[in-house]
Amino acid sequence: QSALTQPASVSGSPGQSITISCTGTNSDVGTYNLVSWYQQHPGEAPKLMIYEGSKRPSGVSSRFSGSKSGDTASLTISGLQTEDEADYYCCSYAPINTWVFGGGTKLTVL
Amino acid sequence: QLQLQESGPGLVTPSETLSLTCTVSGDFINFSSFYWGWIRQPPGKGLEWIGNIYYSGSTYYNPSLKSRVAISVIASKTQFSLRLSSVTAADTAVYYCARLAGASGSYNYWGQGTLVTVSS
Repeated sequence: QSALTQPASVSGSPGQSITISCTGTNSDVGTYNLVSWYQQHPGEAPKLMIYEGSKRPSGVSSRFSGSKSGDTASLTISGLQTEDEADYYCCSYAPINTWVFGGGTKLTVL
Repeated sequence: QLQLQESGPGLVTPSETLSLTCTVSGDFINFSSFYWGWIRQPPGKGLEWIGNIYYSGSTYYNPSLKSRVAISVIASKTQFSLRLSSVTAADTAVYYCARLAGASGSYNYWGQGTLVTVSS
């Protein structure tokens, strides 16, 4: 079970859009539509932002969206705001009944 | 509103067993079709999935930790536990308990996390 691959860092200016990629294999991300994304501010627990690849939980801003192409899932944040600055993690189901996280991406809002 | 809270020793001696409890309020572990899991985060590093227990009692573990990990539901049915044996400094981390909605494959409720340091 190998960790999903995410860029270590991304940055953007307020109002811009950014995309964070999450690359797995055809055994996890590529086969199952069970990718979730989490936002984590320093000293806090992770917060679910996207599930089933593209669905938003109640209360999560529509500025957050998810997608998938092949073995790569993506999280896009549009209209960047300063409070979006955080670490972001993807997570995918992997057979059999295991879960794997990405290494995390630090988002800096310049 | 569902809440989860981790508890246990903050300091564990190398080679000993780490034991943590997650107390669930607002739900009963054995009455709801969810998975209950543990995730950890070493200082300054990313999240690592440890394992899940299904409400029926079935358990699923990270292959890299499987030989040392045990997750179980405590008799009260509102608590579940984590035991990690033969710990080393590499097991120092913030440990989170969380609820996994199996159908959606997402951890939608998390505890606040508890730091466990492995040191003599």
